[in-house]
Amino acid sequence: LAKTTQPISMDSYEGQEVNITCSHNNIATNDYITWYQQFPSQGPRFIIQGYKTKVTNEVASLFIPADRKSSTLSLPRVSLSDTAVYYCLVGDFDSNYQLIWGAGTKLIIKP
Amino acid sequence: ETGVTQTPRHLVMGMTNKKSLKCEQHLGHNAMYWYKQSAKKPLELMFVYNFKEQTENNSVPSRFSPECPNSSHLFLHLHTLQPEDSALYLCASSPFGLAGGRDTGELFFGEGSRLTVL
Repeated sequence: LAKTTQPISMDSYEGQEVNITCSHNNIATNDYITWYQQFPSQGPRFIIQGYKTKVTNEVASLFIPADRKSSTLSLPRVSLSDTAVYYCLVGDFDSNYQLIWGAGTKLIIKP
Repeated sequence: ETGVTQTPRHLVMGMTNKKSLKCEQHLGHNAMYWYKQSAKKPLELMFVYNFKEQTENNSVPSRFSPECPNSSHLFLHLHTLQPEDSALYLCASSPFGLAGGRDTGELFFGEGSRLTVL
């Protein structure tokens, strides 16, 4: 299973666009890239998932370059409520339970 | 509201107590999971149930005993725990589990049960 590397923490301000990059050099052909968000004392929540190029939903965009060795989660116009830990995970659907959870990126949004 | 409900939200127990954590999912999913999240450590998978059958036990000590009476309910029975077992215990479910079929791999987590062992 591919291991991911992402910054331990990031700071930004309300109204800014935040980009969190994740490195996954050993990603396999069948692997998808999934991002989760976790607030304190709550379970993680699915944000977005992609395989290649760009994926966009109502809360975020996910950019994946052609070599798929990295990905960038983009949060547009963040607010204080976006302060959370963001996890990047790589794996195939048949073994989603085996996904290796890292420390994630602690994002702090300031007023 | 994720459709996965965990009770109790908070539990304090002594090392000689026996208690249980409960998880219920209202999503019609086939697979359910227990995860442990200790302070300053990543999520650790503990157990996996697919169609009520345990398919994964991730080298969890026997003082943790899971039970899955049906696809909607999952229990974690606790006995003679240690202080280092204090953590947030998270239940999750997913649509198709391990029986095939393509899903997004999305895990639906409950809010967790915060366990403190004295």
